[in-house]
Amino acid sequence: GENVEQHPSTLSVQEGDSAVIKCTYSDSASNYFPWYKQELGKGPQLIIDIRSNVGEKKDQRIAVTLNKTAKHFSLHITETQPEDSAVYFCAASNPQGAQKLVFGQGTRLTINP
Amino acid sequence: DSGVTQTPKHLITATGQRVTLRCSPRSGDLSVYWYQQSLDQGLQFLIQYYNGEERAKGNILERFSAQQFPDLHSELNLSSLELGDSALYFCASGRGRATDTQYFGPGTRLTVL
Repeated sequence: GENVEQHPSTLSVQEGDSAVIKCTYSDSASNYFPWYKQELGKGPQLIIDIRSNVGEKKDQRIAVTLNKTAKHFSLHITETQPEDSAVYFCAASNPQGAQKLVFGQGTRLTINP
Repeated sequence: DSGVTQTPKHLITATGQRVTLRCSPRSGDLSVYWYQQSLDQGLQFLIQYYNGEERAKGNILERFSAQQFPDLHSELNLSSLELGDSALYFCASGRGRATDTQYFGPGTRLTVL
């Protein structure tokens, strides 16, 4: 089955700098890659997603890139702000079956003022 | 606010007991997914229901079961509880049977003593 690896597990950046989180997946049939942000005591919140027919997607300060050949995708956050501090999860899903999400292990992002 | 509701927020119980977690999906969503989040296993898919029918199973223990009712709310039943069942339990909802975009609820924190 699908396996998703996420790096780094922790990331600390200065406010205003950029943050990059990377994920690799194993199942070449996976075609949907969402990113979730989880704040303390809350459920995962979908922040951006990308499908396999697209190489890059942007939404204001957040962008996601996908390299299908290498089977990896990345989350880029620019001009980081203290409220970006949270745990971020990548996930992948396969069109066959129920589209269950297979998650990476998470990255704890800390923005230092 | 994702529009997915879960009750209760917290649950404390003893080993050997049985509990029921409840989830109401977003308006218009027919699929409900259950996930378990623990420190050592991360976010793991348990089971999916679509319009009242079981659609897919993940790593769900035989002691656990779920159902989706005609009003589309879902319940996750956990029985013969063990210390290792202590975790956050999330439900997510999606529009269709093989929907990929999933919106998560706030979760239920289960503590087994």
